[in-house]
Amino acid sequence: QKEVEQNSGPLSVPEGAIASLNCTYSDRGSQSFFWYRQYSGKSPELIMFIYSNGDKEDGRFTAQLNKASQYVSLLIRDSQPSDSATYLCAVNTEKFYFGTGTSLTVIP
Amino acid sequence: GAGVSQSPRYKVAKRGQDVALRCDPISGHVSLFWYQQALGQGPEFLTYFQNEAQLDKSGLPSDRFFAERPEGSVSTLKIQRTQQEDSAVYLCASSPGDYQPQHFGDGTRLSIL
Repeated sequence: QKEVEQNSGPLSVPEGAIASLNCTYSDRGSQSFFWYRQYSGKSPELIMFIYSNGDKEDGRFTAQLNKASQYVSLLIRDSQPSDSATYLCAVNTEKFYFGTGTSLTVIP
Repeated sequence: GAGVSQSPRYKVAKRGQDVALRCDPISGHVSLFWYQQALGQGPEFLTYFQNEAQLDKSGLPSDRFFAERPEGSVSTLKIQRTQQEDSAVYLCASSPGDYQPQHFGDGTRLSIL
């Protein structure tokens, strides 16, 4: 079992819709959780981080954490074509583990 | 500098050559990480420094890989006797401390011919 699992997609949503990206992790002792966006040929860019159960909102982005279910999600409201990228979930336990990423395409 | 700086951006080497990749982290960041990213995959952890101490090198794929951060700032990842399977993007990231968000450099794309 991988430490961090994501659906690789591709996920396609129309412009203006809500995109929902999901991630599960295996280590219950995980302390912190991150979402990165990676455009093709570029390096990962931090979008959100969350440490406590519940929701954390920043602009059009909301991160949700459920430690009991070992589940992290990222919601993107009012999706724009510029949101089209690969979204990486990362979890910090004793090490920093990344998922393989979910490819998102926002269709104009 | 304002962000993590890596050099070179691109490196082409012949199989068997040694290469050195440099990372200059964000000023004041204690933690420094190296990752290897293959096409279509997420970054894979290689090694981690806290200041000048290499606290975890369990992700280094073989003894041909060596990393150092002698003064707790700039780090170098060295690969000896390169092989074709070493071709990948090598990412460096830094963070203020444990469990804090990491910020990535632009990476070095290494191609071994």
